[in-house]
Amino acid sequence: RKEVEQDPGPFNVPEGATVAFNCTYSNSASQSFFWYRQDCRKEPKLLMSVYSSGNEDGRFTAQLNRASQYISLLIRDSKLSDSATYLCVVTGGTGGFKTIFGAGTRLFVKA
Amino acid sequence: DAEITQSPRHKITETGRQVTLACHQTWNHNNMFWYRQDLGHGLRLIHYSYGVQDTNKGEVSDGYSVSRSNTEDLPLTLESAASSQTSVYFCASSPSGGPPHTQYFGPGTRLTVL
Repeated sequence: RKEVEQDPGPFNVPEGATVAFNCTYSNSASQSFFWYRQDCRKEPKLLMSVYSSGNEDGRFTAQLNRASQYISLLIRDSKLSDSATYLCVVTGGTGGFKTIFGAGTRLFVKA
Repeated sequence: DAEITQSPRHKITETGRQVTLACHQTWNHNNMFWYRQDLGHGLRLIHYSYGVQDTNKGEVSDGYSVSRSNTEDLPLTLESAASSQTSVYFCASSPSGGPPHTQYFGPGTRLTVL
């Protein structure tokens, strides 16, 4: 079982739709959680951190469920420019520094 | 503006050759990382450094080495390139102390080993 698992998709949604991605992690001692965005053939860029209380940044909402060991990303009112791969990132845990990237979920937003 | 750069952006080499990929950042970040990205695996950590003269092995370090002689640079060396090392390589850096492990990535190097 991978330490961080994501549904690879692709998710194909029309403009204006709401779409949600989930990510599960196996290490219960994990400490920090992030969503990164990666455009085709580009480098990953931080989208947002994920906090236990949940956090929102414009159309994006991230949630953390420590009990069930998953994080989620909700995108409301999807734009064409949201088309990208979304990477779930989990850091920390036993054994010191460890950053694990999920393989990513691909999103295509259609006009 | 501060940035992180990688060179070359594309490289084709032959099996058995030594290859060095450069990574240079001007943020004065203490932490630097090398990843490889392959289909179905996401980003996997090769080596990382917390500061000058510090280097550590990551998840997939076999066949790779790094050295950190200054804050700005962390070159990645493939001692004897193998076809299994064909991949896209990303360098990243982050400041010490947080926000926890927010990493800034370079544009990547696409390496093909024939």
